[in-house]
Amino acid sequence: DTGVSQDPRHKITKRGQNVTFRCDPISEHNRLYWYRQTLGQGPEFLTYFQNEAQLEKSRLLSDRFSAERPKGSFSTLEIQRTEQGDSAMYLCASSSTSGQASYEQYFGPGTRLTVT
Amino acid sequence: AQTVTQSQPEMSVQEAETVTLSCTYDTSENNYYLFWYKQPPSRQMILVIRQEAYKQQNATENRFSVNFQKAAKSFSLKISDSQLGDTAMYFCAFTSNQFYFGTGTSLTVIP
Repeated sequence: DTGVSQDPRHKITKRGQNVTFRCDPISEHNRLYWYRQTLGQGPEFLTYFQNEAQLEKSRLLSDRFSAERPKGSFSTLEIQRTEQGDSAMYLCASSSTSGQASYEQYFGPGTRLTVT
Repeated sequence: AQTVTQSQPEMSVQEAETVTLSCTYDTSENNYYLFWYKQPPSRQMILVIRQEAYKQQNATENRFSVNFQKAAKSFSLKISDSQLGDTAMYFCAFTSNQFYFGTGTSLTVIP
């Protein structure tokens, strides 16, 4: 297993367009998290899944944001009608709730979104 | 609500010296985990060290160790024998379910 992967690594889009990002977690991890990170700040929680169930969403996650993890493996994050304020790095992380490394989050490289 | 505070936005240390990064948190939970993550410039976030709240013994990982004071809700990171590769943003994080990150400390190791 090569760790958490995210695709694409970079996305440039025009304001008003929809974008979708994909995250592939570490295969044995049952939890998957999405974060947004802007320059000089810590990751800001957006949402997380345990298996296919979305357990929590941040109040910061507007109706334009939606995430899915249909089979409990990979996840997608969609942003509709993008705004310039959506420009950020979108990070995905996965973890397990059991075992010696439980709750340790392993991060992907992120998807950098630029909205012009 | 859980919060994580890192009060040192920037720090620097001479190579081979020791530096301590501060972190405090606020929670009403009794069972939780604390972490320090490192994010080198333009690179991926990686786990440095973890601490379970129920463990009194402070965690150590090679040159990295923590000072966990549960009553004071303090969780500082000590880096010994600092190396140039330690230059990065360091984030303190708390979880009992959802993860909360601090705003980070930018550490520069000076040759």
